Amino acid sequence: EDQVTQSPEALRLQEGESSSLNCSYTVSGLRGLFWYRQDPGKGPEFLFTLYSAGEEKEKERLKATLTKKESFLHITAPKPEDSATYLCAVPRGTSYDKVIFGPGTSLSVIP
Amino acid sequence: GAVVSQHPSRVICKSGTSVKIECRSLDFQATTMFWYRQFPKKSLMLMATSNEGSKATYEQGVEKDKFLINHASLTLSTLTVTSAHPEDSSFYICSARSPEGGLVVNEQFFGPGTRLTVL
Repeated sequence: EDQVTQSPEALRLQEGESSSLNCSYTVSGLRGLFWYRQDPGKGPEFLFTLYSAGEEKEKERLKATLTKKESFLHITAPKPEDSATYLCAVPRGTSYDKVIFGPGTSLSVIP
Repeated sequence: GAVVSQHPSRVICKSGTSVKIECRSLDFQATTMFWYRQFPKKSLMLMATSNEGSKATYEQGVEKDKFLINHASLTLSTLTVTSAHPEDSSFYICSARSPEGGLVVNEQFFGPGTRLTVL
């Protein structure tokens, strides 16, 4: 069964303290992996798409990487405004219409 | 680009009433939109795929008579929660994949969500 897990469930960092979030997946024939950011009471905001092992993408303090079994979202020198829940998701089957979301990692960055 | 809006952002209703939630693609045409449900501190669960001009496709376990979906135009899909009960209280979010360069991108772009509370 296709499955997406994320760890840790919650992460508390001091401002400037770099760390990484993990997304592990078990799908046959990965056709891409998405990272989203979700603020409380809001819809997810798209961050990155990764398609193949070894691929990396960056946006400000965030860098996403992909291996054959997992993806990491690295946060460098985070700021309080980076506090949010980070979700990863993978397409299910052959269509990008059906996406499985992980449970998310709730990140809190303390000033 | 790829902006999706929802209305209303919050709704409180009495048990037994019906509630309609609108999802609009503001700067693109979406032949397909998606409806998700999210419980507190839980991830998104796909409820149904809304197809313009045809019937929606519901995920297993989602009652099609309870959650009516209409995709009447290329920019509007509506979700109606019929005879709502307290257990229908949740955060409902829609999404769409936008066209880019003649193709539809793989990523889904989400609306801001609608918080439904059924008393």
